[in-house]
Amino acid sequence: AQKVTQAQTEISVVEKEDVTLDCVYETRDTTYYLFWYKQPPSGELVFLIRRNSFDEQNEISGRYSWNFQKSTSSFNFTITASQVVDSAVYFCALSEASGGGNKLTFGTGTQLKVEL
Amino acid sequence: GAGVSQSPSNKVTEKGKDVELRCDPISGHTALYWYRQSLGQGLEFLIYFQGNSAPDKSGLPSDRFSAERTGGSVSTLTIQRTQQEDSAVYLCASSLVLGQVYGYTFGSGTRLTVV
Repeated sequence: AQKVTQAQTEISVVEKEDVTLDCVYETRDTTYYLFWYKQPPSGELVFLIRRNSFDEQNEISGRYSWNFQKSTSSFNFTITASQVVDSAVYFCALSEASGGGNKLTFGTGTQLKVEL
Repeated sequence: GAGVSQSPSNKVTEKGKDVELRCDPISGHTALYWYRQSLGQGLEFLIYFQGNSAPDKSGLPSDRFSAERTGGSVSTLTIQRTQQEDSAVYLCASSLVLGQVYGYTFGSGTRLTVV
């Protein structure tokens, strides 16, 4: 069965600090997809990134970067020079290619608070 | 439409009443998903449609929950005899065929409060 663990329930940082959100996953599939979503106070889930299990290249998009390590089953997300607008709940999610019904299994989320 | 539309955005109902929640996916998206977000339970998968059929209903918590999709478009999630534990935000997502390949787009959700 697939499982996603986000051990950090809440993180508070001061603006301009770097912050890393941890995500550890479990799956028996060799082909799977990992996602990060942002949920601002408005409630809508905003897509940030998708990686497949065969692509372990790290990715950078502006202030956001992702570190995918199959050896440790982790897909961590770093925000560089955080801003108040980054305050939100961030969810990591996993979708297996087979047997999972194409559904997403979410972690419990990490509440990020960025203060001035 | 431009995005996934859910209605109503908020619903307050009395315990024991039936409710219907509606999801209008992005035009052309064949896959549609329902999730529930509640305090203490996080985001839980409920049901997945491909076209009008539901290959995976494994997340529906009880037989009081049902969903249908007609015309490969709009979906309705029905909760019969609502209970207080049904209070949650119900999120709908759609994708072009396979969400894991093409990405999932989520609606803003329906906040259901059972009093």
